[in-house]
Amino acid sequence: AQSVAQPEDQVNVAEGNPLTVKCTYSVSGNPYLFWYVQYPNRGLQFLLKYITGDNLVKGSYGFEAEFNKSQTSFHLKKPSALVSDSALYFCAVRDPMFSGGYNKLIFGAGTRLAVHP
Amino acid sequence: EAGVAQSPRYKIIEKRQSVAFWCNPISGHATLYWYQQILGQGPKLLIQFQNNGVVDDSQLPKDRFSAERLKGVDSTLKIQPAKLEDSAVYLCASNPGAEETQYFGPGTRLLVL
Repeated sequence: AQSVAQPEDQVNVAEGNPLTVKCTYSVSGNPYLFWYVQYPNRGLQFLLKYITGDNLVKGSYGFEAEFNKSQTSFHLKKPSALVSDSALYFCAVRDPMFSGGYNKLIFGAGTRLAVHP
Repeated sequence: EAGVAQSPRYKIIEKRQSVAFWCNPISGHATLYWYQQILGQGPKLLIQFQNNGVVDDSQLPKDRFSAERLKGVDSTLKIQPAKLEDSAVYLCASNPGAEETQYFGPGTRLLVL
């Protein structure tokens, strides 16, 4: 069965420091992986995705993520955090081998990122 | 380009009442999704439409939830009767169908008292 795990409920980081938000997944085939961000009272905003190709994916607002097949991970990173990055971050996976629903995404529970001045 | 539109943004009802949510996807997007996001959890897919046909409604509580997309454009999600555990944010998303990224609306926050 498809699943996504975000092991940290909250990540705290000082402004200007690098940040990492962790995500691991379980699928039967080669995964499609996504990161979304959610600000208070807002919907989810797309940050980046991995489908195939280069394992390092660059996305919006200076974020990037690295696909690691052997560790089944897709951690979100940013070299220098901003206070405005404080939000809820969701990792999601789609298993293209899964025939139960076209383009169905499975989301993790989310990680709250708090960037302190 | 306009994003996914949803209304209302907030709704408070009492249990056993009915409620309806509306979604207008991005123009030209063939696929439309309704998700339920309970506080502290990630979004969970309720139903997926391809044009006006249902692709996946395996997680939709069909005894109380219904959804339609009659003309293959906008969609409504209805709950009748509502239960306390239906309190959540209901998110609508869309994509062109062939492209993998889903784009989300702002959501409707439902509180059932």
